[in-house]
Amino acid sequence: QVTLKESGPGMLQPSKTLSLTCSFSGFSLSTSGMVVSWIRQPSGKSLEWLAAIDWDGDKYYNPSLKSRLTVSKDTSNTQVFLKITSVDIADTATYYCARRQLGGFDYWGQGVMVTVSS
Amino acid sequence: DIQMTQSPASLSASLEEIVTITCQASQNIGNWLAWYQQKPGKSPQLLIYGTTSLADGVPSRFSGSRSGTQYSLKISRLQVEDIGIYYCQQASSTPPTFGGGTKLELK
Repeated sequence: QVTLKESGPGMLQPSKTLSLTCSFSGFSLSTSGMVVSWIRQPSGKSLEWLAAIDWDGDKYYNPSLKSRLTVSKDTSNTQVFLKITSVDIADTATYYCARRQLGGFDYWGQGVMVTVSS
Repeated sequence: DIQMTQSPASLSASLEEIVTITCQASQNIGNWLAWYQQKPGKSPQLLIYGTTSLADGVPSRFSGSRSGTQYSLKISRLQVEDIGIYYCQQASSTPPTFGGGTKLELK
């Protein structure tokens, strides 16, 4: 059974660094073709893909946010991390991690809500 | 980035009605198109990938098609459990991009 779960601070102040963790089970990120992505969704709005890391450790970023994003994974291939630097109010959103397969995102975490506020 | 333009933004339909949602890609994406359903407070769920392939467990009343760079999601007989917001997503190039969403309500 594939599951993913995001965790994060809930709330942080502008200009700080947001650190998110995606813990998953039911698959291994070391398996060829596996990719885990981060996607966010401001309340009432559509989805925005942020970054991804694949089984080979290759990293992919949304060009619009690339300078602020860092994606990584742990050596056991059961967790993926995302850091976003210099957050502001526009980064307030629900953040999801999702597995990419079949040309789509077939499994999603429940999401973690992050609020940026002073 | 490839722009995905969804229409309509909202839709009200009756039970058992046929519903069609469309998505226009700003450039050729081949068959690299996925559809998702999102219910309030929940994560998106993959319905269709590769333009026409149903994801596991998705009812057969859902189907996808393509005409050039326009993609369609069809629900053949609307059920109560189909209410939610639908998103298209192109998987042709990085960054993957999503449509603005279609909110489907019961009439």
